[in-house]
Amino acid sequence: RKEVEQDPGPFNVPEGATVAFNCTYSNSASQSFFWYRQDCRKEPKLLMSVYSSGNEDGRFTAQLNRASQYISLLIRDSKLSDSATYLCAVNIIGNTGGFKTIFGAGTRLFVKA
Amino acid sequence: DTAVSQTPKYLVTQMGNDKSIKCEQNLGHDTMYWYKQDSKKFLKIMFSYNNKELIINETVPNRFSPKSPDKAHLNLHINSLELGDSAVYFCASSQSKIVGNQPQHFGDGTRLSIL
Repeated sequence: RKEVEQDPGPFNVPEGATVAFNCTYSNSASQSFFWYRQDCRKEPKLLMSVYSSGNEDGRFTAQLNRASQYISLLIRDSKLSDSATYLCAVNIIGNTGGFKTIFGAGTRLFVKA
Repeated sequence: DTAVSQTPKYLVTQMGNDKSIKCEQNLGHDTMYWYKQDSKKFLKIMFSYNNKELIINETVPNRFSPKSPDKAHLNLHINSLELGDSAVYFCASSQSKIVGNQPQHFGDGTRLSIL
């Protein structure tokens, strides 16, 4: 089982739609959680951290369910510019005591006019 | 100002050659990383250094040798390049290896193609 799993998609949605991505992680000792966005042929960029109580940033809402070990990202009122790959990431403690980030394989989103 | 910069952006070379990729960050971060993103877009950590000290080495062939002359620089040297080394290599940094809620800041990648 992969440490971080996501549905690869692609998700094809019309502009204005609401779309939700889920991500599951296997290590119950995972410490912190993130969603990154990666545009085609670009580097990943942090979209938002995910907090236990859930958090919102404009049209984006992230949720964490520690008991079920999953993270979600909800995008409301999708824009054409939201088309990208969304990477789920978790920080776990490495065997030398430092944290390392494990990324999911990403979910591709296409928003169409 | 570029926060994490890596060079070269593109690297096309023949199998068997040795090549290096350089990375520098001006964020004052303590921790730097090398990731490999293969053709299936899976982003996998290779190495991590904290203040010039190697802290993560993820089952990477010993043809790959990272070097950190100071905490702002992390270079990657690859010997005897193989076809399977073709990928995008991303450098990244984060504030500290100790604080677990720190995100990564990525360079814009080096696209390595082996002929």
